Formats: sequence, C-alpha cells, structure tokens
Amino acid sequence: QSVLTQPPSASGTPGQRVTISCSGSSSNIGSNTVNWYQQLPGTAPKLLIYSNNQRPSGVPDRFSGSKSGTSASLAISGLQSEDEADYYCAAWDDSLNAWGFGGGTKLTVL
Amino acid sequence: EVQLLESGGGLVQPGGSLRLSCAASGFTFSSYAMSWVRQAPGKGLEWVSAISGSGGSTYYADSVKGRFTISRDNSKNTLYLQMNSLRAEDTAVYYCAKESSFASPLPSNFMDVWGQGTTVTVSS
Repeated sequence: QSVLTQPPSASGTPGQRVTISCSGSSSNIGSNTVNWYQQLPGTAPKLLIYSNNQRPSGVPDRFSGSKSGTSASLAISGLQSEDEADYYCAAWDDSLNAWGFGGGTKLTVL
Repeated sequence: EVQLLESGGGLVQPGGSLRLSCAASGFTFSSYAMSWVRQAPGKGLEWVSAISGSGGSTYYADSVKGRFTISRDNSKNTLYLQMNSLRAEDTAVYYCAKESSFASPLPSNFMDVWGQGTTVTVSS
C-alpha cells in the first residue's frame, strides 16, 4: 500500500496533453512539497519536477507540475513517444517520518 | 560529471546479510544527504533509508528498521547499507540517490541524482 495514490495507467496519442494525478493527505502533500520522477524502461529513476512545479535543467517545458491541497498533478503536453515511462510522485510524510512514493503511473503513448 | 555507482548486490539466503556500497563522484559528497530507495520486481519505488551529510542523522522505513543500517564514509565518498536478517520481501533493485541539501530529513529536499542500481535477491 503506497503512501500516495496514483492511477496505475494513463495513455495518450502523440501531440496530446496528458495529466497524472497524485493524492495524499495532510501529513504529506498537504504540508510538504511534491516531487515527480520519470523512469524510462530498464533505467534508473530521474528527477522530473521538484518543489511542486520546478523543472531541473534539461527537462523540457512540456512537463509541468501543480499542487492544490492534498493533491498534485503532473501534466505532459505535446506528448511524444519517448515520454512512454513510469511516473512517480513523492513527498515527505510528517507522520511516518519517511519519504512516501506513489505507486507509479505507467504512461503509454498510443 | 555527477555520478553514483552502487555495488555489493547478489544472491543471499533468507536470514543472511549483505552490505551495499555507493561510490559518489563529481560533487562534494559530504555536503549532501543521501538516500537508499528500492524497487521490487515489477513494483514501484520504496524509500528505505536516509542519512544527513555529516552522518549524524539517520532515518529508516518501518519495513527495515532494526535490520538495516545506513552509514557513510565522507573521506571515501562512499555510502553504505548494511542489510541483516534478510527476507524474501527485501528482494529488489537498490538505488542510492543524492538529496538536494545537507540536512535529512528535510521535507523540501528532492533526489536529484540516482545511481544505476544493484540487485539483491533473497532466496534459498
């Protein structure tokens, strides 16, 4: 059982905009920042979005993050085939004193 | 280039022990907290443990508390994870990750560099 809740799958066609949700509680997303990680098939995770909506250098501006209350979202616009990957949200949980990850969302580009 | 390289994984029997290492390069190792994150076969990411830049603060997931010990040698730019009393459910790829600041835990932190992972299999 993951600390944060994500849909197991999402899909879209090239060029489309896709949104992935991440639901938490007052002890994690509600009080702390959210980070997003991208894991391409067979590779290690990579930081995609930090502090709710900041992009590390090198991450295309097609990727954006937002947070409201105890939920967060990752949006990918202009979907490309190379975006096919697993996406994970994460936030520190004050009650568990631990990093909480979402279960991951597998994005398929049709 | 900032780089993390894990080693030490392998096949171990239930109840056995293993020590993982993570060699860091390309940044001032002692200035950053570090974490271990694991991924069981076909499953999602699970945070395991974190340590501050000085090594003075350590934190563990409940699933490994009392069995795993995180440590670091800043003179060798190396992070460790001593794993004892291993169980089948500890089977996973173990990643080390650099956190974004010296202190841990810091809720505003993020894991900005990841290693390629080392595989641990617990089986008889």
